[in-house]
Amino acid sequence: GQQVMQIPQYQHVQEGEDFTTYCNSSTTLSNIQWYKQRPGGHPVFLIQLVKSGEVKKQKRLTFQFGEAKKNSSLHITATQTTDVGTYFCAGKTSYDKVIFGPGTSLSVIP
Amino acid sequence: EAQVTQNPRYLITVTGKKLTVTCSQNMNHEYMSWYRQDPGLGLRQIYYSMNVEVTDKGDVPEGYKVSRKEKRNFPLILESPSPNQTSLYFCASSLSSDNSYEQYFGPGTRLTVT
Repeated sequence: GQQVMQIPQYQHVQEGEDFTTYCNSSTTLSNIQWYKQRPGGHPVFLIQLVKSGEVKKQKRLTFQFGEAKKNSSLHITATQTTDVGTYFCAGKTSYDKVIFGPGTSLSVIP
Repeated sequence: EAQVTQNPRYLITVTGKKLTVTCSQNMNHEYMSWYRQDPGLGLRQIYYSMNVEVTDKGDVPEGYKVSRKEKRNFPLILESPSPNQTSLYFCASSLSSDNSYEQYFGPGTRLTVT
């Protein structure tokens, strides 16, 4: 079936280092959303990408949607302790279903 | 305040004892959904509803029931809970049923079935 994968599963970084998580789909996606879940919390929407090759920025976060609309990435520049959490991508398939990736858990060492 | 509420937040129960987890949203959203979250598996959709009286199975519907009698409420029913349904459950809602809008998640319900 259709799958959305994310790598890495876990990432530990020193505060100030950069961080990137990658999301890959087995099929072409209509759009992709990114969510952040703080420890003990619930997923919170960050952004949505729709167009092939689209790049969006939110302060230190850069989101990219691949040309083939089958992959996406989230890059955080100069991580801070407030960035700790699990980052999920969620892709909308051609069948109008939303499939979440398994998430990348980010730890930031002060 | 716009929000999705779930009750209870924590529940410990025994195998076979029917339970209901309530979900309510105050944003007049059309689309509502239930997910379960397990370590390493991310969020898996159980059931979703595109509008009142319209529900459909997600990826892991076995052992669960839902209903959507009113727009704001979307309860999750476990008729005969089993230990493999021990999980963290999230209800979510979205403005429209076309999946082009962000989902708002409730605070979660941690269920333990012994």
